[in-house]
Amino acid sequence: QVQLVESGGSVVQPGRSLRLSCTASGFAFSNYGMHWVRQAPGKGLEWVAVISSDGSTKYYADFVKGRFTISRDNSKNTLYLQMNSLRAEDTAVFYCAKVAGYTSSWYLIDDWGQGTLVTVSS
Amino acid sequence: EIVMTQSPATLSVSPGERATLSCRASQTVSSMLAWYQQKPGQAPRLLIYGASTRATGIPARFSGSGFGTEFTLTISSLQSEDFAVYYCQQYKNWQTFGQGTKVEIK
Repeated sequence: QVQLVESGGSVVQPGRSLRLSCTASGFAFSNYGMHWVRQAPGKGLEWVAVISSDGSTKYYADFVKGRFTISRDNSKNTLYLQMNSLRAEDTAVFYCAKVAGYTSSWYLIDDWGQGTLVTVSS
Repeated sequence: EIVMTQSPATLSVSPGERATLSCRASQTVSSMLAWYQQKPGQAPRLLIYGASTRATGIPARFSGSGFGTEFTLTISSLQSEDFAVYYCQQYKNWQTFGQGTKVEIK
């Protein structure tokens, strides 16, 4: 079955950087687009970024443009999120998630990891 | 940006009763609407896509309906494991999530 395991979350000071990873198994990783979605404590789901199956196309939410970079290494079945210039408001659980294969839309998600917590605090 | 509005924010229901959750889009999303369930401390789980198609392994007591701007998720007979937060998401134009409806035990 599909497994998505995030790692890299930690406590980091404002202005610093952090890289999250998501290791995938149980499906043909290189055939699927992938997302990062975050959830601040006690809040709802907030989409962050998506990357195409081959890594050539990326889209970002407006609030992270220029600060976050999504990437992938299909040889390692791994998705990444490089986060720079972190702010207190970036504190959240970050989920990696897989694009569903049911439709032509990149934005339908059918599988999620368990998430990794990023806390931005001095 | 398409804004998704869910109502009510909290729904109190007794086990065995029916729960009806609503989701409204600020402009038409056709049938490109999904519902997710999230339990405390867990990742979201896809329940419904295409407004009315159950995802793999989702029990028949979950049903979705609607088209355009008005959508409904119905849980026909609430089980203890169904008490959770439910999010709608449109995926017609980029994507946006609703703010969620918490289904709690009455």
